[in-house]
Amino acid sequence: QQQVKQSPQSLIVQKGGISIINCAYENTAFDYFPWYQQFPGKGPALLIAIRPDVSEKKEGRFTISFNKSAKQFSLHIMDSQPGDSATYFCAAEGKNTGFQKLVFGTGTRLLVSP
Amino acid sequence: KAGVTQTPRYLIKTRGQQVTLSCSPISGHRSVSWYQQTPGQGLQFLFEYFSETQRNKGNFPGRFSGRQFSNSRSEMNVSTLELGDSALYLCASSFGSSNTEAFFGQGTRLTVV
Repeated sequence: QQQVKQSPQSLIVQKGGISIINCAYENTAFDYFPWYQQFPGKGPALLIAIRPDVSEKKEGRFTISFNKSAKQFSLHIMDSQPGDSATYFCAAEGKNTGFQKLVFGTGTRLLVSP
Repeated sequence: KAGVTQTPRYLIKTRGQQVTLSCSPISGHRSVSWYQQTPGQGLQFLFEYFSETQRNKGNFPGRFSGRQFSNSRSEMNVSTLELGDSALYLCASSFGSSNTEAFFGQGTRLTVV
């Protein structure tokens, strides 16, 4: 049973466009939701994270939107650039969830065309 | 501030052998977690160590083990290697044990032949 569902699996966006990646979670005990960016041959890099007490967090061109009632959160990349082409993972973590540490989504491969 | 360092970067081992991977966390971080990344299963949690104690363990067989030293450096061991153990093994360090920012190393690419 997949506890964090991520979509789409892959995404192609024109340079300057908005990239949107969605995640949904099952366990309401999750209370920490980070996004990671991974380039080929590298480890995942923490991009931005949110906790359920806020509905939105913005850092530069990256924004997380969080909908606690729907148990969904999404990553928006504004003014997408070719350098943003990477695989993005959402994740969730929480105490007493029955899960240990970060539970990851399956990843979204983003390609930003020039 | 130095990041998370994993050694070696690449390893090729034969079925049945054992392997030890090393992770040096960010200075001051006391939690080290290990993850396995494969194309088919994605990123899966192996175990976490905090102050030399295993805090959490994922759903992996007992062939996978680890330990943490007093300087927070951690090692992961896989015994009796199987072909399916071929993966990128990632180490993440964080200051606390839960719900804190986790920073990943570049990983060790293990190939079992």
